[in-house]
Amino acid sequence: QVQLQESGPGLVKPSETLSLTCTVSGGSVSSGGSYWSWIRQPPGKALEWMGYMSYTGSTYYNPSLKSRVTMSLDTSKNQLSLKLSSVTAADTAVYYCARGIGYFGDFFDYWGQGTLVTVSS
Amino acid sequence: QSALTQPPSASGSPGQSVTISCTGTSSDVGGYNYVSWYQQHPGKAPKVMIYEVTKRPSGVPDRFSGSKSGNTASLTVSGLQTEDEADYFCSSYAGTSNFLFGGGTKLTVL
Repeated sequence: QVQLQESGPGLVKPSETLSLTCTVSGGSVSSGGSYWSWIRQPPGKALEWMGYMSYTGSTYYNPSLKSRVTMSLDTSKNQLSLKLSSVTAADTAVYYCARGIGYFGDFFDYWGQGTLVTVSS
Repeated sequence: QSALTQPPSASGSPGQSVTISCTGTSSDVGGYNYVSWYQQHPGKAPKVMIYEVTKRPSGVPDRFSGSKSGNTASLTVSGLQTEDEADYFCSSYAGTSNFLFGGGTKLTVL
């Protein structure tokens, strides 16, 4: 059973960079057909797909966030990471990591529990 | 791009059927057969219930079914059980390596 666990600061100051890590257990981030994703949900709003990184190392970002987001995989630690720069209060959200699977990661079969990140001075 | 539109709430009595809709556009729901549905209990991680419009992952009861007509996808839960009470949200591929989610529907089993 694949399990994902997000970790990182729960409070980030405006204009700084948000950094989160997702540790994967029960499976490998290098496994074929996997698209390691970050998805967030601002309070009271819809989920937003932020992007994913394929098992080949290719990255695909939501066009609305592309200029601020960076994702990476650390195969030695079996982790994925997220960096979101120049954050504002609008980036306050619960952040989830998830595994995309299917034809091109078209659905998400394993999710972390989510971690709340608040942007505030 | 806007989120997909879901009703904020739905309800039904045990044993009844309930259908939750997910409305998008021809650029997302209507344009691709890559709609998925997720169930989320409070404080728990989301769980995929339907993928690629109609497919059910192993272990998901066949009481859950998915369909699509035009720009609207639907999740039907038949034979409602108390454990089905949860939040449900839809997702669709929206082209150019982008995905949209719905705002979520809170299902109450009366």
